[in-house]
Amino acid sequence: EAGVVQSPRYKIIEKKQPVAFWCNPISGHNTLYWYRQNLGQGPELLIRYENEEAVDDSQLPKDRFSAERLKGVDSTLKIQPAELGDSAVYLCASSVGRDTYYEQYFGPGTRLTVT
Amino acid sequence: AQKVTQAQTEISVVEKEDVTLDCVYETRDTTYYLFWYKQPPSGELVFLIRRNSFDEQNEISGRYSWNFQKSTSSFNFTITASQVVDSAVYFCALSEAGDDKIIFGKGTRLHILP
Repeated sequence: EAGVVQSPRYKIIEKKQPVAFWCNPISGHNTLYWYRQNLGQGPELLIRYENEEAVDDSQLPKDRFSAERLKGVDSTLKIQPAELGDSAVYLCASSVGRDTYYEQYFGPGTRLTVT
Repeated sequence: AQKVTQAQTEISVVEKEDVTLDCVYETRDTTYYLFWYKQPPSGELVFLIRRNSFDEQNEISGRYSWNFQKSTSSFNFTITASQVVDSAVYFCALSEAGDDKIIFGKGTRLHILP
């Protein structure tokens, strides 16, 4: 069974440039999560989707971050414009549904470096 | 508010030694879950264990064991006879029932030296 797929694995951009990350969850998983993991820290939730609906985006910096999950399957997280402080690993996770939020499967992450 | 503290930032032990990773949590809920995840250099978070707050039985899985003590709000993780492949960052995490969120600690980086 394929796991959570993320691309790219690494991205280096200059500040003020836009960047996008893509995530394809495990087939059949309705709930999708985006986390940000700063260096030396644990992951922090940015946004959670139930199918195509964003049900928790309270931690998403909405001035520069946006996300979408148009067909309730794969998802894109965008930053525009990127700032130096956005350098981090962006992790995607999925679970079967909201009731199984405690069984999240994580992808390998995208390591973003903003110069 | 929920909080997870992993006081050990980094630990180094020689292969075959036992090592314990500490985790202390804070929550006002009586119903909650505790987790341990492993993050190897590849970056993926690998789920190791989940315990609910009503199950204080210690658990052993091969070389791994977990000691859950509600009296001290701790959920410690012990690796027996450590191996080089155990080198990774280990995260303790907490989720309050009904919150649908997992709150992670800052992690402990474990180095197993050959």
